[in-house]
Amino acid sequence: ENVLTQSPGTLSVSPGERATLSCRASQSVSSNYLAWYQQKPGQAPRLLIYGASRRATGIPDRFSGSGSGTDFTLTISRLEPEDFAVYYCQQYGYFKTFGQGTKVEIK
Amino acid sequence: EVQLVESGGGLVQPGGSLRLSCAASGFTFTNYWMTWVRQAPGKGLEWVANINKDGSEENYVDSVKGRFTISRDNARKLFYLQMNSLRVEDTAVYYCAKEDWSIPDWGQGTLVTVSS
Repeated sequence: ENVLTQSPGTLSVSPGERATLSCRASQSVSSNYLAWYQQKPGQAPRLLIYGASRRATGIPDRFSGSGSGTDFTLTISRLEPEDFAVYYCQQYGYFKTFGQGTKVEIK
Repeated sequence: EVQLVESGGGLVQPGGSLRLSCAASGFTFTNYWMTWVRQAPGKGLEWVANINKDGSEENYVDSVKGRFTISRDNARKLFYLQMNSLRVEDTAVYYCAKEDWSIPDWGQGTLVTVSS
């Protein structure tokens, strides 16, 4: 099983600032099959990034993904009020696993 | 517009069974793998199982193997999760979702509570 470890667990950021979230895999993620999701309380997750760096339909360009192999990053360039949420990475090779999540909270 | 609507959740005793259903619309159902993801109260996401386009291949997370069975009815655009020998630790919101390698579309979830 490819274990994904996200850091930090909680990130305190002010609106308008930059947020950088990390996702590290215990094994190389094949074909960069790495996605990021946003989840707000009481809602289903929403796909933000797939293929490590491709934005999903309708996702603002302040969200960007990077990385390869075992180290991946989600960057939110300027935090808007609606961006405060929990973010999960996921590897979607043959079997799928999620990281434990990073909560982005208002500082 | 893609719509995925779960049903069948509820309260069940440990050792009991429950079948979740997911009704799909707004896309060509037979073109996609379908998947179930769960989230225990206050916890993160856990992928549970998926099924291929014609129902001939199924995959499961180790913790549910032998207890849960995923299936689909392509004629009716439905897919299912049969859950047997339920444990307290299976308590979660269960989401049905459409796969396109990643998971672009999700239902709103149905709560399964396993408790005596």
